[in-house]
Amino acid sequence: QKEVEQNSGPLSVPEGAIASLNCTYSDRGSQSFFWYRQYSGKSPELIMFIYSNGDKEDGRFTAQLNKASQYVSLLIRDSQPSDSATYLCAVISANQAGTALIFGKGTTLSVSS
Amino acid sequence: EAQVTQNPRYLITVTGKKLTVTCSQNMNHEYMSWYRQDPGLGLRQIYYSMNVEVTDKGDVPEGYKVSRKEKRNFPLILESPSPNQTSLYFCASGESWPGYSPLHFGNGTRLTVT
Repeated sequence: QKEVEQNSGPLSVPEGAIASLNCTYSDRGSQSFFWYRQYSGKSPELIMFIYSNGDKEDGRFTAQLNKASQYVSLLIRDSQPSDSATYLCAVISANQAGTALIFGKGTTLSVSS
Repeated sequence: EAQVTQNPRYLITVTGKKLTVTCSQNMNHEYMSWYRQDPGLGLRQIYYSMNVEVTDKGDVPEGYKVSRKEKRNFPLILESPSPNQTSLYFCASGESWPGYSPLHFGNGTRLTVT
């Protein structure tokens, strides 16, 4: 069973700080990685995706991928109270049964003003 | 507006009474999927469909049925609901599978089975 692991949190940071969210995955062959944000009671929404080793920046968000170490992280700079949500890491993983998008259980981020 | 529409948003039913949760997308997406989300267990895939008339089981298919007769619709059927199917359900669609495009989620259906 391919797995995606995240620290459940809560991760608490003050407003303006950098929030660092981490995710590890077990399938060394995984090629595509996604970060979704989910507010309480709402549906997940995509905020970042990354396919290549290194960093990818989009506004205040930076996704980092290290395939050799099998981890992907999300940095949120200048954290705002509106960033308080659960962040889901998702990985496309393939096996004999097919290809699946596997979600981690999510890390809850709390940004205090 | 591009969207995935689920209905109903909230549903309370009794054990054994058949129900259908509808899902429709207006983005001409080939791929559609159903997930359930439970505290501490995260999002788990129930069924998915890579195109019309093509469906396959996800991680937790027991007790559920789906059909994909039209590209835009992917209903989830619980023929005999049980209390352990009480959950938050999400329908999602994507351009293709496997692909690099993101999943678009519906607003969710909170189901309670008593």
